[in-house]
Amino acid sequence: DAGVTQSPTHLIKTRGQQVTLRCSPKSGHDTVSWYQQALGQGPQFIFQYYEEEERQRGNFPDRFSGHQFPNYSSELNVNALLLGDSALYLCASSFGPTNTGELFFGEGSRLTVL
Amino acid sequence: GQQVMQIPQYQHVQEGEDFTTYCNSSTTLSNIQWYKQRPGGHPVFLIQLVKSGEVKKQKRLTFQFGEAKKNSSLHITATQTTDVGTYFCGNAGGTSYGKLTFGQGTILTVHP
Repeated sequence: DAGVTQSPTHLIKTRGQQVTLRCSPKSGHDTVSWYQQALGQGPQFIFQYYEEEERQRGNFPDRFSGHQFPNYSSELNVNALLLGDSALYLCASSFGPTNTGELFFGEGSRLTVL
Repeated sequence: GQQVMQIPQYQHVQEGEDFTTYCNSSTTLSNIQWYKQRPGGHPVFLIQLVKSGEVKKQKRLTFQFGEAKKNSSLHITATQTTDVGTYFCGNAGGTSYGKLTFGQGTILTVHP
C-alpha cells in the first residue's frame, strides 16, 4: 500500500522563476492538501483539492496555484518565486474534503530560492 | 481550524527524564491532533482527541484533552533518544473541515 509520494525531493530555483511540485495521494484517498513549512515553524495550510477543484484556501497569494487530476494526484505551482518561498512543501492526503481525522503526509519537497 | 499555541518551544532532557508539551487555545476546540516530526522528516500522526477530558495512552505517551476543550497535553514518560523530534498539536474542524491548523511545535532533544 503506497503512501503519499512527492516529487521532487529537493530543488533549487532563483527569484522570479516558477516551480511545479507533484503529489500522489495514499491509495484510496481522494483529497489532497498542501502545506508550507518554513524552517522552525509548523506547517501552514495552502489549499485543499477535492474532485479536481480547490475547496479551501489558506492565507497565500495567487502566485500559489494548484491542480488535481482525475487520478487524484495533484500539483502545486508557485510563480514569481521570492526568497521567502524557501520552505518544505508538504502534501497530505485524506478521504473526503470534510474529513477531520488523520492526515497522511508525504516526505515533502524542499525548495530553496536563491 | 482554530489557532493553537504550543509551549515550550524547546525542551532539552536527559534520557530517562519525563517530557510534557502543552497546547492552548482561547476558544473551544472541536478536536486536537498530535503529530511527531523527526529531524529531516515529515509529520506523522500520533493521535486524535475529541471528547472533553479525554485521556489516551500509547505506551510511554499520554495524551489529554482538557475539560473545557481549550487545551491539551502530551506527556512522555522516561524519554528515549528515539523520542527526539518536533511535536505538533493541530486542530481541524469547525468551519474549516479538512484544514489542519498547527501550533508552532515543541522541539525535544534527548541527551543520552
